[in-house]
Parts: sequence; C-alpha cells; structure tokens
Amino acid sequence: KAGVTQTPRYLIKTRGQQVTLSCSPISGHRSVSWYQQTPGQGLQFLFEYFSETQRNKGNFPGRFSGRQFSNSRSEMNVSTLELGDSALYLCASSLKGGQNYGYTFGSGTRLTVV
Amino acid sequence: AQSVTQLDSHVSVSEGTPVLLRCNYSSSYSPSLFWYVQHPNKGLQLLLKYTSAATLVKGINGFEAEFKKSETSFHLTKPSAHMSDAAEYFCVVSVPNSNSGYALNFGKGTSLLVTP
Repeated sequence: KAGVTQTPRYLIKTRGQQVTLSCSPISGHRSVSWYQQTPGQGLQFLFEYFSETQRNKGNFPGRFSGRQFSNSRSEMNVSTLELGDSALYLCASSLKGGQNYGYTFGSGTRLTVV
Repeated sequence: AQSVTQLDSHVSVSEGTPVLLRCNYSSSYSPSLFWYVQHPNKGLQLLLKYTSAATLVKGINGFEAEFKKSETSFHLTKPSAHMSDAAEYFCVVSVPNSNSGYALNFGKGTSLLVTP
C-alpha cells in the first residue's frame, strides 16, 4: 500500500515568487491536511480538504491557498513568497479525518525562500 | 480551545532504561489524542492514538500511553529505550470545528536522546 507522496522534496525559491506543492494521499483516503513546520513556531495547521471541499482553515494569510481534486490529490499554493515562508510543509492523509481516524504524513517538502 | 502541553523539551535516557515523555491536555470534552514521532529529515509517524476506548493505549515499537482524565495527562512510556528511539516526539490533539472539519494541534515536541 503506497504511502503519502509529496512532491517535490526540496524547493528553493526567490522572495516574491509563488510556489505549488503537491500531495497524493493514500488510495481511498478522502481527507488531506497541510501543516507548516518551522523551528520557531513548530507544527501549525494550514487547511484541511475533504472530497474537494475545504472544511477547515488555520490562521494563515490569504497568500496560502489550496485545493483538492476529484482523485483526492491536493495542491498547496503560496504566492508572493516571504523569507519567513521557509519551512517544511507536511501533508497528512486520513480516511475521513477527525476523532476516530489516524493521520498518515508524507515526508514533506522543504521550501527555502532566498 | 483544545491544546496540549509537553512538559519537557529534552529528555535524555540511557539505552535499556525506561522512557517517560510527559503531555498534559486541555479540553472541554473527551479529546482524541495522538503521539507522533519524527526522525531527522523524515515525516511524522503515528505511534498510538486514544479515542475514548481503553485508557491504556498500546502503540508500535513497544510504546504505550495512559489517558488519565483526573490528571488531564497522556504520558508516553516505554519500558526499555533503544538507540533507534532517539527522535522528536509530538503529543497531538484533534480539534473539530463547526464545519465537520478537523485540525491537529501539536505540542512543541520533546527531543529524546538515548545514550549508550
């Protein structure tokens, strides 16, 4: 059973550019969540998608957006990159999300903004 | 608001000795709690989860955790540490919203060092 696949693994972007990260969940999983991990702030929730609908959003500026496709694959976009956006971005896949279902994480995309 | 507090940022144990990583939670109702482990340059791996069934939860690699409502705690233990246990450990609570969505609230993490 394939795990959660995040691409690319590493990215280097220049301040002001935009970036798109991709996440392919475990087959059959319909919930995909995104998290940002930084040394200063730790792990913070960005948003959750379920069946192509965003059903939860964290406290991040509008520059951070996402979407989910009919095959449950998800993309996250960050526009007008800032130095502070440098982080490890993790995607989590769950059958339905929530109280009774575990979450499987991908290995992450490490974004460096210069 | 539901949250977790990991009481130690660093824990150091000798190989073969017990491990105790402490976590307290704050919740207005019965929470769903998880422990995740992150090895260097890797993603997060689920160790175990509590979802209001048995209060003693057994996980992978010999880890277990006990949910204690009276103490609002969910400490992670292992009888005998192995060198491969050295990693960052996160206590996590699942938080629902009014839109049937969920988010995971992570603790700050505990770095476990295992010495020979």
